[in-house]
Amino acid sequence: AQSVTQPDIHITVSEGASLELRCNYSYGATPYLFWYVQSPGQGLQLLLKYFSGDTLVQGIKGFEAEFKRSQSSFNLRKPSVHWSDAAEYFCAVRGGYSTLTFGKGTMLLVSP
Amino acid sequence: NAGVTQTPKFRVLKTGQSMTLLCAQDMNHEYMYWYRQDPGMGLRLIHYSVGEGTTAKGEVPDGYNVSRLKKQNFLLGLESAAPSQTSVYFCASSPLWEPQHFGDGTRLSIL
Repeated sequence: AQSVTQPDIHITVSEGASLELRCNYSYGATPYLFWYVQSPGQGLQLLLKYFSGDTLVQGIKGFEAEFKRSQSSFNLRKPSVHWSDAAEYFCAVRGGYSTLTFGKGTMLLVSP
Repeated sequence: NAGVTQTPKFRVLKTGQSMTLLCAQDMNHEYMYWYRQDPGMGLRLIHYSVGEGTTAKGEVPDGYNVSRLKKQNFLLGLESAAPSQTSVYFCASSPLWEPQHFGDGTRLSIL
């Protein structure tokens, strides 16, 4: 069965600083990977996805992620964080019938 | 275009009561899903459907039933609510091979 690990429960970043959120996956074949963001009291919004091809994928809101098969990782990055980026971020891997297995999430706090 | 709509948004139940959560999507998606979100646990799949009239169990199906009588609707039922089912419930839908679209969630408290 597939699984996703997000090692960091909370991360605090200063506004304007760079960000990297870690995601490691376990999956038997070529994975389809996603990053979602959840603002308080809201549903999940898709940031970006990796299906195949270029291992560096661009998403919305200035986010990007890099797929590294050798490390079973799909880390999310942003060069300069804004206060509005404070939210919870979820990495997910797709299983059969497009079901998703999520990591436990990383809460991003942005300090002034 | 409303996307995925969940009703109700909030509900408080007593132990042993029953209720149904409704999910409606207007995007003509084939696949629909119900997840629960608990603090520190991420989202876990309860049940899903790959088309009208079909349902399947996910990771945590016990205590829940579902029905997909119409393509646009996916109902989640609790026959006898338990405090352990206090959670935020999310519905999602997707076309074949595409990412899921999520509703805004239903906050359910069971006393």
